[in-house]
Order: sequence, then structure tokens, then C-alpha cells
Amino acid sequence: GEDVEQSLFLSVREGDSSVINCTYTDSSSTYLYWYKQEPGAGLQLLTYIFSNMDMKQDQRLTVLLNKKDKHLSLRIADTQTGDSAIYFCAERANNQGGKLIFGQGTELSVKP
Amino acid sequence: KAGVTQTPRYLIKTRGQQVTLSCSPISGHRSVSWYQQTPGQGLQFLFEYFSETQRNKGNFPGRFSGRQFSNSRSEMNVSTLELGDSALYLCASSLEASGIGYEQYFGPGTRLTVT
Repeated sequence: GEDVEQSLFLSVREGDSSVINCTYTDSSSTYLYWYKQEPGAGLQLLTYIFSNMDMKQDQRLTVLLNKKDKHLSLRIADTQTGDSAIYFCAERANNQGGKLIFGQGTELSVKP
Repeated sequence: KAGVTQTPRYLIKTRGQQVTLSCSPISGHRSVSWYQQTPGQGLQFLFEYFSETQRNKGNFPGRFSGRQFSNSRSEMNVSTLELGDSALYLCASSLEASGIGYEQYFGPGTRLTVT
């Protein structure tokens, strides 16, 4: 079945690294995504990783994929107060066209 | 390039009424998907349109419908509104419905309140 799980809250100090974790169940998932949502706004695509990759780095963002354990993580280096938001993990299965299955979202709170 | 636009941004309706929401995708994008976001259920997929055809549909009742026009703009309609339909409705566009580098870009959403 399709299911994506995330922890609900994460609190870090400004300047520290944040690691947001996600697990998924669909082994046919081809793409895994991270989106950011700020209050009152839509979803901003941060990055995505193809299922045959282990890691992807994009400036302060690092995505790690453990396909065997179906575990995805997003690391934000040098976390800033502007990074405070809800972060969603999402999977797209190979035969599901554009359908994304989202996790519940992790609320990241960055304290100065 | 302009992003995904959704109109209206806010809407208040009464139970039993119907509502139509509009989405204009990024120029050149041919696929439009719709999602419902509520505090209780999170983000749930409604449907996807590509080249004016519905390609995929989520588990929502028939009161939820949509369509796509030849210019890729899309509308979704909810008939006989219920209190539980109060939500943020998000539209996402992408270049194509399948293929490598499938990136979906979301609009700001329409906040629907049903009283």
C-alpha cells in the first residue's frame, strides 16, 4: 500500500544542522520529493531524488535515500530562522502519473 | 516565468452550494493536478489532467469533478458542499505527466470555508 510517515516536530538552534526523516512503503516509487510550506502559502519544491540515487546535494540541502529500508532524509546545513516551516516528504509511484503521496509534514522550529 | 496561479484565493460558501476553483499552470506546462489539504487528513490527491484528459483520480466522492481546457488551464468543481469540504485546495502543474525529471510546482491555493 501507499503510506509515507514523518515525525511531526523538530526544533533546532540557528546555525545547527536539521535532519528531517521520512519513511515510505511503496517499493515502486521512482521519485521522492521534499516540499516546504510556510504559513498561508502553497508548497515550494525544494529538491527531489530519483530512486536509483543514494544522495543528492543542493547548496545547504542534502538528501539521503536508503532504498533497502525505504528511508529518506533531508539535511539542512546552517539552519536559519527563515527555514522555519513545515516540510513534506512525498513519493511518486512508477505507474501513478502525477499522483504524489504526502507525509503528514514535519514542523521545523528554528530558535535564535 | 510566472508561477502557478489560482483564483480565487479565498472563498466562503454555504452548505449545499457549489463552487468552482480555477488554476492556471506555468506557461508550457500541460499537466495539472489538484490536492486537498486539511489539518486532519493532510494532503490528499484529487485528480490529474493532461491534454484535457483525466489521467488519474483519488478517492473522493463524485461531488468533486474537474476539467482541463485546451490552453491547459484547469477548473475543479465541488457540488453540494459539506462542512468537511472546508480546506486549502492546491493546484500543481508540471511539464508532462510522465517522464524523467517530473517536477510539480504548486500554486498558493484557494482557501475554501463552508459554513
